[in-house]
Amino acid sequence: KAGVTQTPRYLIKTRGQQVTLSCSPISGHRSVSWYQQTPGQGLQFLFEYFSETQRNKGNFPGRFSGRQFSNSRSEMNVSTLELGDSALYLCASSLGFGANVLTFGAGSRLTVL
Amino acid sequence: GNSVTQMEGPVTLSEEAFLTINCTYTATGYPSLFWYVQYPGEGLQLLLKATKADDKGSNKGFEATYRKETTSFHLEKGSVQVSDSAVYFCALRLTQGGSEKLVFGKGTKLTVNP
Repeated sequence: KAGVTQTPRYLIKTRGQQVTLSCSPISGHRSVSWYQQTPGQGLQFLFEYFSETQRNKGNFPGRFSGRQFSNSRSEMNVSTLELGDSALYLCASSLGFGANVLTFGAGSRLTVL
Repeated sequence: GNSVTQMEGPVTLSEEAFLTINCTYTATGYPSLFWYVQYPGEGLQLLLKATKADDKGSNKGFEATYRKETTSFHLEKGSVQVSDSAVYFCALRLTQGGSEKLVFGKGTKLTVNP
């Protein structure tokens, strides 16, 4: 079956702009988590959605938001981009809420200039 | 708080060498422990896991044993191959107050030379 699909794979934005990233989970997976990966901070948890509801949230400012649709697809949005938001954003899906075995997508690499 | 500490990389080995990547954790409860691997240009893949003390996770020749007394989950492989070159992440999952999430170490980059 198809894996976790993230789009776009690469994008470049400028400071102050906003960005929306998309994640399609594995068919049948209802939980989607988002992580930010940077060389300095490693992998940091952003949020987790299950059945269209945010169930967990990491320590990121309100500029970072997300949502999940009825088909379990998820989007995350970052508004008023800052240089420090440059990172690889990874989406992971699992069968149920609670960070069971996660299957990750290849990520969306965001560069903010 | 809950945290994972991995040995700093990068680690460079020759093919067929023995590999150890150290991982220790701090947790207020009884976490499940994981090793994930990230190959170049790809997302993370689960390599192995252990859910309770003294459990040994194994996969593709890699092993790690959940040591509660030393709060460790070191990754080992007896004979590495060039194809094992990747970044390895140790992680823990803990349930607290009905909330669960994975906490990752910073990753250890392994390069295996032929």
